[in-house]
Amino acid sequence: QKEVEQNSGPLSVPEGAIASLNCTYSDRGSQSFFWYRQYSGKSPELIMSIYSNGDKEDGRFTAQLNKASQYVSLLIRDSQPSDSATYLCAVGDGGSQGNLIFGKGTKLSVKP
Amino acid sequence: DAGVTQSPTHLIKTRGQQVTLRCSPKSGHDTVSWYQQALGQGPQFIFQYYEEEERQRGNFPDRFSGHQFPNYSSELNVNALLLGDSALYLCASSVLGASHYEQYFGPGTRLTVT
Repeated sequence: QKEVEQNSGPLSVPEGAIASLNCTYSDRGSQSFFWYRQYSGKSPELIMSIYSNGDKEDGRFTAQLNKASQYVSLLIRDSQPSDSATYLCAVGDGGSQGNLIFGKGTKLSVKP
Repeated sequence: DAGVTQSPTHLIKTRGQQVTLRCSPKSGHDTVSWYQQALGQGPQFIFQYYEEEERQRGNFPDRFSGHQFPNYSSELNVNALLLGDSALYLCASSVLGASHYEQYFGPGTRLTVT
């Protein structure tokens, strides 16, 4: 059974702080890794993708991948109340470009 | 550039009935995947369609079936609805074979089975 694990939270950070979200996965064959943001009652929105070990930065977001440790993380700098949402980690199933395996999500709350 | 669209937005059905959900992929995308998201859970993969064929299937019973049309749009059919089928049904589109394989979700269809 291929699994993706995330802390369910809630993770509460003050406005302007760095929010750190973590994810581990079980399938060593996975090659693609994604972070989705989901506001309450809405569908998931792709915010970051990462395919190689190391860091990838996009604006206030940084994704980090360590395939040896089977670990993916998302850092949100200068957190804003509008960042309050559930963040879903998704891992591609091996090299099939098929299904994504999702974690249950981490609920982030940014307090003004 | 139109994103992924889904219809209907909400649907209420009775146990035992059948339902059809529809999806149009993002312009330029050729692959459609369907997911089921129960409350408080991450999306679970149902199946994926490419070139009008089911390419991959998740751990869902045969009551769940689909179709892809020549214009890449897709339908998800669920027969003999159970109370446990109540969920948000998400369609995601992508381009098979792209170097960076990313799936983009539509707004979803909220299905309630009573």
